[in-house]
Amino acid sequence: AQKITQTQPGMFVQEKEAVTLDCTYDTSDPSYGLFWYKQPSSGEMIFLIYQGSYDQQNATEGRYSLNFQKARKSANLVISASQLGDSAMYFCAMRANDYKLSFGAGTTVTVRA
Amino acid sequence: SQTIHQWPATLVQPVGSPLSLECTVEGTSNPNLYWYRQAAGRGLQLLFYSVGIGQISSEVPQNLSASRPQDRQFILSSKKLLLSDSGFYLCAWSLEAGGPSAKNIQYFGAGTRLSVL
Repeated sequence: AQKITQTQPGMFVQEKEAVTLDCTYDTSDPSYGLFWYKQPSSGEMIFLIYQGSYDQQNATEGRYSLNFQKARKSANLVISASQLGDSAMYFCAMRANDYKLSFGAGTTVTVRA
Repeated sequence: SQTIHQWPATLVQPVGSPLSLECTVEGTSNPNLYWYRQAAGRGLQLLFYSVGIGQISSEVPQNLSASRPQDRQFILSSKKLLLSDSGFYLCAWSLEAGGPSAKNIQYFGAGTRLSVL
């Protein structure tokens, strides 16, 4: 079974600074995908960024980048130049040998002005 | 463009009452559909998924059921709600192509907050 671990329940970051959210995963499958989602207080889950297990380069999407360290089984999300609107809960998820996403427990990010 | 609609947004139901939550997807065909539940401050738990009309897979034994009467419609039901059914329910869809590492993104609806009293 796949397992996703997010060890940081909550983080504070100053506006305009960068923040790194940790995610480690556990799977024995060689083929898998890693996803990050943002959940604002309104509740909807917003897709942010994706990394495939065979991708050679770290994924980037605007201010979001994924620090993918395959040997360490980690897929940390980096948010650069934080904005007040980045305050939300962030979830790391993995999909391996089936259609299902396994989610971590999430990290709450609060951006301070 | 594809959109996903989920309703109602909020629901308060007494214990023992029935439940029906509906989810519809527009702008795509033959999507995979999913129902998740999220307890307060926690991650998402997959309840059901469907790869086609009438095809439902259950992930967690419970008093909930799901049905897919049409290609882009997914319904979550219960005959008798329990207090433990309270939570935030999210519907999602994806298009499947390629292997496990393919970029098959799941897109979520706005969710339904269910309180069973």
